[in-house]
Amino acid sequence: GAVVSQHPSRVICKSGTSVKIECRSLDFQATTMFWYRQFPKQSLMLMATSNEGSKATYEQGVEKDKFLINHASLTLSTLTVTSAHPEDSSFYICSATRGSGNTIYFGEGSWLTVV
Amino acid sequence: QKEVEQDPGPLSVPEGAIVSLNCTYSNSAFQYFMWYRQYSRKGPELLMYTYSSGNKEDGRFTAQVDKSSKYISLFIRDSQPSDSATYLCAATGNQFYFGTGTSLTVIP
Repeated sequence: GAVVSQHPSRVICKSGTSVKIECRSLDFQATTMFWYRQFPKQSLMLMATSNEGSKATYEQGVEKDKFLINHASLTLSTLTVTSAHPEDSSFYICSATRGSGNTIYFGEGSWLTVV
Repeated sequence: QKEVEQDPGPLSVPEGAIVSLNCTYSNSAFQYFMWYRQYSRKGPELLMYTYSSGNKEDGRFTAQVDKSSKYISLFIRDSQPSDSATYLCAATGNQFYFGTGTSLTVIP
């Protein structure tokens, strides 16, 4: 069964509003979670690495103020897309490392459509 | 040079065929290797996980790592239409590195 859960799976929001996506590790504590963006038929693009209790590390070109990441507990990380615009419409996926941290488990993904 | 290279395909095979998916990596320090399957509009699902060199088998799937040539392979025996998906390879040292994914279609 799934070990990482993402919510919501689909969300539509109006341009200019903010939307929050949650990523939960279901039966383990995840000190590190990752957020990705994926456009249709393209590969995963790492956006940021989220460490519990500290600030997220963003990849080059990803706007920190646009994509707010909060990893407040060992089982929950959130991604907030602020002042969303149609070009932010995409598939957002989170993942978490488990145990010794040598492998990654992915969430089911969240489809964001900004209208 | 990317840390992990993967032929994006697409790859199309008839049902029942043996499928071979391959990746190369550049860093000899990588020790852990993974294969993920991603169906359309879903998050990637961990298929196989191997440590160092050797083979690992799980049902119709076999993962193979050749550290001497820095080559990672996934073999699918008796391929089924339900195997149609994008397959991602990954390797990890201090960070995780993913291939771009190979799109596979198994034709009934």
